[in-house]
Amino acid sequence: TQLLEQSPQFLSIQEGENLTVYCNSSSVFSSLQWYRQEPGEGPVLLVTVVTGGEVKKLKRLTFQFGDARKDSSLHITAAQPGDTGLYLCAGPSSNTGKLIFGQGTTLQVKP
Amino acid sequence: NAGVMQNPRHLVRRRGQEARLRCSPMKGHSHVYWYRQLPEEGLKFMVYLQKENIIDESGMPKERFSAEFPKEGPSILRIQQVVRGDSAAYFCASSPISRAGVIGNQPQHFGDGTRLSIL
Repeated sequence: TQLLEQSPQFLSIQEGENLTVYCNSSSVFSSLQWYRQEPGEGPVLLVTVVTGGEVKKLKRLTFQFGDARKDSSLHITAAQPGDTGLYLCAGPSSNTGKLIFGQGTTLQVKP
Repeated sequence: NAGVMQNPRHLVRRRGQEARLRCSPMKGHSHVYWYRQLPEEGLKFMVYLQKENIIDESGMPKERFSAEFPKEGPSILRIQQVVRGDSAAYFCASSPISRAGVIGNQPQHFGDGTRLSIL
């Protein structure tokens, strides 16, 4: 069974601080996706990482895919209150492509 | 709005009633996935459909739940004889056809969900 473990589950920081969210598995994934979800809305795709060792940047967000394609990280530099939300990593199942989600990281950035 | 459309956004039902949730995928997308989310948790897969076919229903309870994606019209997730435990947010996602031989390489785009409350 493919599982994704996210850590930490909750994170409360001050504006301007840096943070890293981790997404780990014992299984290999063909790709991993990161989503951000705000209350009352659906998850919004931030990035897809496909190649082992790949690093992608989206403004202050840096996403990395592990060399073995079993883990990923999301690093936010100089967090802003607008970064507050639920961050989800997800990977496609090896047989049908359904997404397997981590349990999410709830981030609160205080002004 | 060319995104995934779900309706209704909020649905209230009494125990024993039926709930019907609708999802119109993004234009050009032929794959539809349904997920369920409890508060402060990640999403759990329920069912994967293509037009007129159920591809994977391994995450959907065997009883009371059914899903369809007809040739014309939206995908429907139907819950019969609802119980309190069915209260959750139900999300639909769509994706385009995958490149041949590559499973799950197309990102899924989500609607804003239907919040189902059972009284």
